[in-house]
Amino acid sequence: AQKITQTQPGMFVQEKEAVTLDCTYDTSDQSYGLFWYKQPSSGEMIFLIYQGSYDEQNATEGRYSLNFQKARKSANLVISASQLGDSAMYFCAMREVYNNNDMRFGAGTRLTVKP
Amino acid sequence: DAGVIQSPRHEVTEMGQEVTLRCKPISGHDYLFWYRQTMMRGLELLIYFNNNVPIDDSGMPEDRFSAKMPNASFSTLKIQPSEPRDSAVYFCASSFSVAKNIQYFGAGTRLSVL
Repeated sequence: AQKITQTQPGMFVQEKEAVTLDCTYDTSDQSYGLFWYKQPSSGEMIFLIYQGSYDEQNATEGRYSLNFQKARKSANLVISASQLGDSAMYFCAMREVYNNNDMRFGAGTRLTVKP
Repeated sequence: DAGVIQSPRHEVTEMGQEVTLRCKPISGHDYLFWYRQTMMRGLELLIYFNNNVPIDDSGMPEDRFSAKMPNASFSTLKIQPSEPRDSAVYFCASSFSVAKNIQYFGAGTRLSVL
């Protein structure tokens, strides 16, 4: 069964600094996708970044980058130059391409950006 | 693009009543997902459809829950009868299989069963 582990229930970062949110996953499949979502206090789930298991380059989207280490089965999210608006819950998720296409989420990390 | 649209945003009902949650996916998307989020269990996949056909409903908690997708632009999740433990935020998401299957979520429906 798929398993997504986010070991940091809460993280604090100073405004304008970088922060790394950890995510490890467990799968025996070779083809899968990794996702990060942001959930602010308003409740919506916002897609941030995607990494495919066959992608050789780490994904980047603006201030977000995904540190993908396939052998270690980790997919950490790096947020550079943190802003107050980055304070939110962050969820890591994985979808196995050939396993019914469903997606499993980690428990989330609550990030607080301090001014 | 209007995004995934869910209604209502908030629903308060009494135990035993029927509840219907609605979802309009992003136009052109061929997958639709229903999730439930609670503090205790996190985000759980309930059911998903591909081209309007239910593919996996193993996450539906019990027979009181049912979901339909009569056409490509509309889906419902029904709870009958509702119970207090059904109180949660219910999300609908849609994705397009050709475009990495990234799921885009609606704003959610916050359900409170008294």
